Parts: sequence; C-alpha cells; structure tokens
Amino acid sequence: DIQMTQSPSTLSASVGDRVTITCRASQSISSWLAWYQQKPGKAPKLLIYKASSLERGVPSRFSGSGSGTEFTLTISSLQPDDFATYYCQHYDSYPLTFGGGTKMEIK
Amino acid sequence: EVRLVESGGGLVQPGGSLRLSCVASGFTFNDHYMDWVRQAPGKGLEWVGRIRNKADSYTTEYAASVRGRFTISRDDSDNSLYLQMNSLKTEDTAVYYCIRGLNGNDKNWFDPRGQGTLVTVSS
Repeated sequence: DIQMTQSPSTLSASVGDRVTITCRASQSISSWLAWYQQKPGKAPKLLIYKASSLERGVPSRFSGSGSGTEFTLTISSLQPDDFATYYCQHYDSYPLTFGGGTKMEIK
Repeated sequence: EVRLVESGGGLVQPGGSLRLSCVASGFTFNDHYMDWVRQAPGKGLEWVGRIRNKADSYTTEYAASVRGRFTISRDDSDNSLYLQMNSLKTEDTAVYYCIRGLNGNDKNWFDPRGQGTLVTVSS
C-alpha cells in the first residue's frame, strides 16, 4: 500500500500569511494526487486534482505542485474561511489512501 | 446541481448488519465510478471501496479492512448506490460518505457532495 505522510499535522497561522502543506508518498504516484478541505461536521471539499489542477470555483489563492513522491498545497494569502483541516489523497493504485490531515489554526 | 444524499445509518450491535443507501441527482449517474469513504469520530478519512460503471462491468475494489464484510452495489435505474455492511465491528463506527468519482476511469479523484450518514457499532 502507498502511505501518504502530511506535514505539519497542525499549522498555526494568521490571516494574510502564505502557508504551505507538504504531502509525501511512500512511492511514486506520478501526479495522481488530490487535495481536500474539510470543516467540522461537513463533507470534504475538493480543492486540487492531478497535483496542480484547481477545481472549478476554488479561489486562486490555492495552488498545488509536485510530482512523484513530494507534493505541496500552498495558500498564498490565508483568509478567515480557510481555517480547516486539509487532506491529501493519492489515486494511483488500490487501495486509495489519504494523508493524516493538517489542521490549520488561527494564531 | 450535483447532490448525493446518504441514508441508512444508525446504531447496530457488533456482528450485526446495516445497509447504507445513497441517492444521486444532478449528473449522469451511470457514467460515473462511485466510492464510499468513511471518517471515524475525530479521525481522518479512509477509503472504503469503489464500484465501477456499467462500461467497466460494475466491478468493485475494497479496502483490506472491509473486504469480505462489505459489499458495494448500484442501481443505475434509480440513481442509487448501496453499501451492505455485515459482521460489523466497533472500529467500523464512522460517518460514511457516498462520493462521485471524476475522470471516468481508475484514475478518479473524489467529488464529495453528500452530508454523510453516521454508523455507530456498539453494544
């Protein structure tokens, strides 16, 4: 199974900050990676697919990059609505697996 | 508008069974692969399994943790997805989400749209 490791697990930041979350795969997954945002009590929301493609309707302050085993999600200027938990997920092969999540907290 | 509405969750004893349903609307259901993903209370996301579309013979894939106990099926005439859960364990306690796959093949990413349904396995 491909293991997905996210870091950090918690990120304290302020409105307006530029923040980056890292996701590492235990083996190459090409660009078969998605990022999701989840708020408490809600379903996850798709942000990025194929490592760097922005889902329609997602603000352009979100961006994704990487390929192979190392990937990043960057928020260029953190907004109040962005405080949530973020998950990466690979879809290269079965079983599909998620990273452990990064909780974005207000500093 | 794409909608996925899950139902069927509830309290069940260990060893029991439960069948979850998901009704889809707002898109051509029979074109899509469909997945179930779950989230235990306070924990992260875990993929449960997938059913492919008719073009790919409705074949299925499962996570090792549920293989042999859970069965995914679909009824394209009703735009419905199902998850039959047998031999339930306490560790199956979670919110279960029905999810539409995007891309039309095994390299599908998820488009979560439902609110989820809570399954609690406890004596």
